[in-house]
Amino acid sequence: ETGVTQTPRHLVMGMTNKKSLKCEQHLGHNAMYWYKQSAKKPLELMFVYSLEERVENNSVPSRFSPECPNSSHLFLHLHTLQPEDSALYLCASSQDGGAVYGYTFGSGTRLTVV
Amino acid sequence: AQKVTQAQTEISVVEKEDVTLDCVYETRDTTYYLFWYKQPPSGELVFLIRRNSFDEQNEISGRYSWNFQKSTSSFNFTITASQVVDSAVYFCALSEGDDKIIFGKGTRLHILP
Repeated sequence: ETGVTQTPRHLVMGMTNKKSLKCEQHLGHNAMYWYKQSAKKPLELMFVYSLEERVENNSVPSRFSPECPNSSHLFLHLHTLQPEDSALYLCASSQDGGAVYGYTFGSGTRLTVV
Repeated sequence: AQKVTQAQTEISVVEKEDVTLDCVYETRDTTYYLFWYKQPPSGELVFLIRRNSFDEQNEISGRYSWNFQKSTSSFNFTITASQVVDSAVYFCALSEGDDKIIFGKGTRLHILP
């Protein structure tokens, strides 16, 4: 496999459920990102991991918990979500911050909270 | 501070028409990078182009062209002879060389058959 792979592609969960989103990159990149994209809203950067360490958390509620066990994998653990958390969650990766060559994105997980 | 403005929220054109998507940026750095991404209905953001601040040459790739003008802080994107498959959300983005890229709010482009 190549590129950035996100699973599942679609997820429906109740507000009391616990689920996890998975992101995997096979590009040898050393930074990974979670973005949230709500309907008709701009991309919101949630978390940044560089060399497996979290370097940014943009005031994301604690019901979202990221995990980066190694440079190829990134998870977003979800618990007690709200309906307004329904969105497309995009994962991206980059080499050395991505400033020069940009990010590579996955296809996203479309999350619906009921 | 960095900022990217895409003033056009949504554009609709008839197939085969040319269309230009505007992007205006703000930065205090002299070294920076500009990007365009395409997001089709499938959701994935697809990289289209990267430009560094020292290269103001316009670029053409097939039906796509980009006009970078530092004097007006703009990096506009033109699609010539548009096709229905060009329908997507297009994002302009800026990086000053630190650890993240700043995205504009995107322009939703509808190409009508």
